[in-house]
Amino acid sequence: GQSLEQPSEVTAVEGAIVQINCTYQTSGFYGLSWYQQHDGGAPTFLSYNALDGLEETGRFSSFLSRSDSYGYLLLQELQMKDSASYFCAVRDTGGFKTIFGAGTRLFVKA
Amino acid sequence: DAGVIQSPRHEVTEMGQEVTLRCKPISGHNSLFWYRQTMMRGLELLIYFNNNVPIDDSGMPEDRFSAKMPNASFSTLKIQPSEPRDSAVYFCASRSDTQYFGPGTRLTVL
Repeated sequence: GQSLEQPSEVTAVEGAIVQINCTYQTSGFYGLSWYQQHDGGAPTFLSYNALDGLEETGRFSSFLSRSDSYGYLLLQELQMKDSASYFCAVRDTGGFKTIFGAGTRLFVKA
Repeated sequence: DAGVIQSPRHEVTEMGQEVTLRCKPISGHNSLFWYRQTMMRGLELLIYFNNNVPIDDSGMPEDRFSAKMPNASFSTLKIQPSEPRDSAVYFCASRSDTQYFGPGTRLTVL
């Protein structure tokens, strides 16, 4: 079967750094993506890792270790507007199908 | 670019009625996905198309659900007859390299 595991909730304070982990078990692997979703909104794309290592985009970075079936999203200099749900997602071997984790709800406190 | 367009944005209907959700993908994207999101079940992939051809409909919950993609710029998801447990937000997404979600249709079946 295919499954992705990520923490259900994370709480952090404004200005801090937070890491959201994702482990996956899939029949194939094409890449790991991260999406952000605010309440009442649609998921929006944040980052994509096809190869091992760190990808940096502004305050957000994403890491992948294919040998460990593990990745994380790192959010720096947290702002109140970062309060949202964050989903990791895996594309299968064929690259067609994207499966989403259950999401991590991030609460940023003042 | 207008992004992925979905209509209607909100739909309230009574049990037993037919519901049709519509999606216009981003021009040039060759893959289209229908997802359903609920608090209990998270973001579920219902069906996806590649080059207008249904590739995997294993996520479609039952025969009451059907989806079509008659051309590269239009897709529908139909529920007939609808039931209260179908109440959810339905997202359409399209992808070339990156997957982009539409704003969603919030369906309420009374």
